[in-house]
Amino acid sequence: NAGVTQTPKFRILKIGQSMTLQCTQDMNHNYMYWYRQDPGMGLKLIYYSVGAGITDKGEVPNGYNVSRSTTEDFPLRLELAAPSQTSVYFCASSVPGQGIEQYFGPGTRLTVT
Amino acid sequence: AQKITQTQPGMFVQEKEAVTLDCTYDTSDPSYGLFWYKQPSSGEMIFLIYQGSYDQQNATEGRYSLNFQKARKSANLVISASQLGDSAMYFCAMREGYGGSQGNLIFGKGTKLSVKP
Repeated sequence: NAGVTQTPKFRILKIGQSMTLQCTQDMNHNYMYWYRQDPGMGLKLIYYSVGAGITDKGEVPNGYNVSRSTTEDFPLRLELAAPSQTSVYFCASSVPGQGIEQYFGPGTRLTVT
Repeated sequence: AQKITQTQPGMFVQEKEAVTLDCTYDTSDPSYGLFWYKQPSSGEMIFLIYQGSYDQQNATEGRYSLNFQKARKSANLVISASQLGDSAMYFCAMREGYGGSQGNLIFGKGTKLSVKP
């Protein structure tokens, strides 16, 4: 199993550009999450999904959109990139259950200039 | 209100010694879980240990143990016999409720541990 994969690993965007961060998991997990990690900070939840066709906002959803058409894929769309979106983005997945940890992808480092 | 507090931005420990990383949390939900993740300089998030709110005993995983004091709302990570490879950021996180919309993790700001040879 590859686990959780994310592409690209690095990206530089100009202000106002758009892009999609890809996330795929091969563990048949129902739950998927997008987090952002700003320098020197912990992770903050952007969006999450509890299954195909179901998504919901997390703590910091502004400026982002998601979709979940399949169990495996959970892309994150940035529209009109802003410098405040410079961050490292992590995708994670898990199954329901209190003691079940989230499995994280390797992250995407995004810089908006 | 901050739900996970890690008060130590940075810690140093001598190789082979034990170290405790502090974590306090705030929740009114009787059902919750506490997690510790390690983030080395390469950036990935590595799960270390889990403690459930109803667990009677402190969790242990190899050199990692969790000092869970429910009344004080603290869940400190203890690393025994520190190794150079333990140098990393360590994050405490909490999940309220049982999965579903309540299954999201809330992270602290982390503690940077440096192990000295």
